[in-house]
Amino acid sequence: QKEVEQDPGPLSVPEGAIVSLNCTYSNSAFQYFMWYRQYSRKGPELLMYTYSSGNKEDGRFTAQVDKSSKYISLFIRDSQPSDSATYLCAMSPLNNNDMRFGAGTRLTVKP
Amino acid sequence: EAGVTQFPSHSVIEKGQTVTLRCDPISGHDNLYWYRRVMGKEIKFLLHFVKESKQDESGMPNNRFLAERTGGTYSTLKVQPAELEDSGVYFCASSQSRGAGYTFGSGTRLTVV
Repeated sequence: QKEVEQDPGPLSVPEGAIVSLNCTYSNSAFQYFMWYRQYSRKGPELLMYTYSSGNKEDGRFTAQVDKSSKYISLFIRDSQPSDSATYLCAMSPLNNNDMRFGAGTRLTVKP
Repeated sequence: EAGVTQFPSHSVIEKGQTVTLRCDPISGHDNLYWYRRVMGKEIKFLLHFVKESKQDESGMPNNRFLAERTGGTYSTLKVQPAELEDSGVYFCASSQSRGAGYTFGSGTRLTVV
């Protein structure tokens, strides 16, 4: 079993839709949870960063962490074609820099 | 602010040859990391520098891989001799503090033929 599970998709939605991306994990030591966006031929770009459980909102993006279920989510409201990219979840234990990544979900937002 | 710079962006070498990848982190970032993504797999941690010291190299696959960060500025990752399974994208990232999200470079796509 992988430490971090993420459905690779692909996921295709119409412009304006609400997108829900998810990851599950097995290591209860994970405390830091991150979402990265990666465009083709580019490196991952940090989108959201959350410590422990709870919600965090930044513009059209909302990250949720449910440590009891070992489940994290990223919601994108009013999705735009420019949101088309691969979204990677990542997580690490407290004070540990060995981030574990999900496989990434490829998202396409169609105009 | 300049981002994390990696070069070359793409390298094609023959099995058995040596390749050296370079990473220039964001100025002032003491933490520098190497990750790689091989075909069909997740991005995986290789090692972590704090300034010039190796903090954690538990992800280095074998002794064919050598990373250095002389002077605590740029870093190099040498693969010698390269094998076919070393093909993938090698990412470098840097950060100011531990446990925070990193800034990644665009990666070096290594192809071993």
